[in-house]
Amino acid sequence: DAMVIQNPRYQVTQFGKPVTLSCSQTLNHNVMYWYQQKSSQAPKLLFHYYDKDFNNEADTPDNFQSRRPNTSFCFLDIRSPGLGDAAMYLCATSRDVAAGKLFFGSGTQLSVL
Amino acid sequence: AQSVSQHNHHVILSEAASLELGCNYSYGGTVNLFWYVQYPGQHLQLLLKYFSGDPLVKGIKGFEAEFIKSKFSFNLRKPSVQWSDTAEYFCAVSSGGSQGNLIFGKGTKLSVKP
Repeated sequence: DAMVIQNPRYQVTQFGKPVTLSCSQTLNHNVMYWYQQKSSQAPKLLFHYYDKDFNNEADTPDNFQSRRPNTSFCFLDIRSPGLGDAAMYLCATSRDVAAGKLFFGSGTQLSVL
Repeated sequence: AQSVSQHNHHVILSEAASLELGCNYSYGGTVNLFWYVQYPGQHLQLLLKYFSGDPLVKGIKGFEAEFIKSKFSFNLRKPSVQWSDTAEYFCAVSSGGSQGNLIFGKGTKLSVKP
């Protein structure tokens, strides 16, 4: 009965080869977030969608894009992955930005060769 | 810019020991404070949160945290830990109405020896 589902659990890509990570939710929440977590570091917000409105963090590299085709799905596209993009990518949802509680998926561990 | 500091990277305790994990934040305005927990192989989940009111907040599984505004702290406590509390604990802060934009600390790994 997972509520925020991320696929795949592990993803390997090559340097410079575009990669897409996916996230789906069964909670019907308005907000979906993407966080990047590197080893021994804090999760860092990349961007979030409030419904169809995209909100990019100021320091998120242009290499990272996102799509939300409908309420349930959200994708993270890395156009040209570099070695420094190897990380755990976490998707989360909340009912709204003032809900105060985020529901996280299990994450996708991205390796860049 | 906001930041969150968690003092301990790894804490090792025996069962029944008391636990206190430190968390300090830097932000002068109104904040909302959270502790999230990640059990081995599982996703991050909310342990407890503080928005306003009583600064002593009780969460799930016997955890509590105290907001001390003058110290910019939100330490997590549990009087008697169990082996099942072995996990990584993340303190997080958001400001004003932007609860979604959580700033996380680096996390504290807790290992409880049976």
